[in-house]
Amino acid sequence: AQSVTQLDSQVPVFEEAPVELRCNYSSSVSVYLFWYVQYPNQGLQLLLKYLSGSTLVKGINGFEAEFNKSQTSFHLRKPSVHISDTAEYFCAVTAYNQGGKLIFGQGTELSVKP
Amino acid sequence: SAVISQKPSRDICQRGTSLTIQCQVDSQVTMMFWYRQQPGQSLTLIATANQGSEATYESGFVIDKFPISRPNLTFSTLTVSNMSPEDSSIYLCSVRTGNTGELFFGEGSRLTVL
Repeated sequence: AQSVTQLDSQVPVFEEAPVELRCNYSSSVSVYLFWYVQYPNQGLQLLLKYLSGSTLVKGINGFEAEFNKSQTSFHLRKPSVHISDTAEYFCAVTAYNQGGKLIFGQGTELSVKP
Repeated sequence: SAVISQKPSRDICQRGTSLTIQCQVDSQVTMMFWYRQQPGQSLTLIATANQGSEATYESGFVIDKFPISRPNLTFSTLTVSNMSPEDSSIYLCSVRTGNTGELFFGEGSRLTVL
């Protein structure tokens, strides 16, 4: 079975500062990894995904994430955040043979302050 | 990608009643899933909605409480039966359109049980 741990439940940061949201996963088989964002009162939107190949993946809104197999991590980063990035961020994992079922982390609330 | 419409977007219900949530997709999809997001929590998979057969439920969820229909490849319903305040959650429909595990989500149905 797979599991996901997001190491920070809340991350406050000032506008234009860099941010890193941490995600660790556990799996005995190869996985696909995802980051989703949920703005207040909205559904989930895919930020980026790691399937294979380059370990550094770039997503929408200037976000990027790095897959580290040895550390089983998939941390999300942005060099300069905006007020509009304030949202809940979810890391998710699915195994190659899990029929598309995504397992989600507990979420990280990113709060960007002026 | 896929465009997913859910109805209702929100509702307030009385204890002991049942509510059916509809999910309509703009294209035929093989895999449809229902998730629950309790207040301040992450997403938990309720079941996989299988076209033409009974849904596959995750541990802790049963058909009597959450009956699911999937009459065709673009539509599904989730019923929350005999509701209690503990059922107050956002219920999200999601679909997988490719082979990479990526899910697309509806806006969610926010349910409050009094």
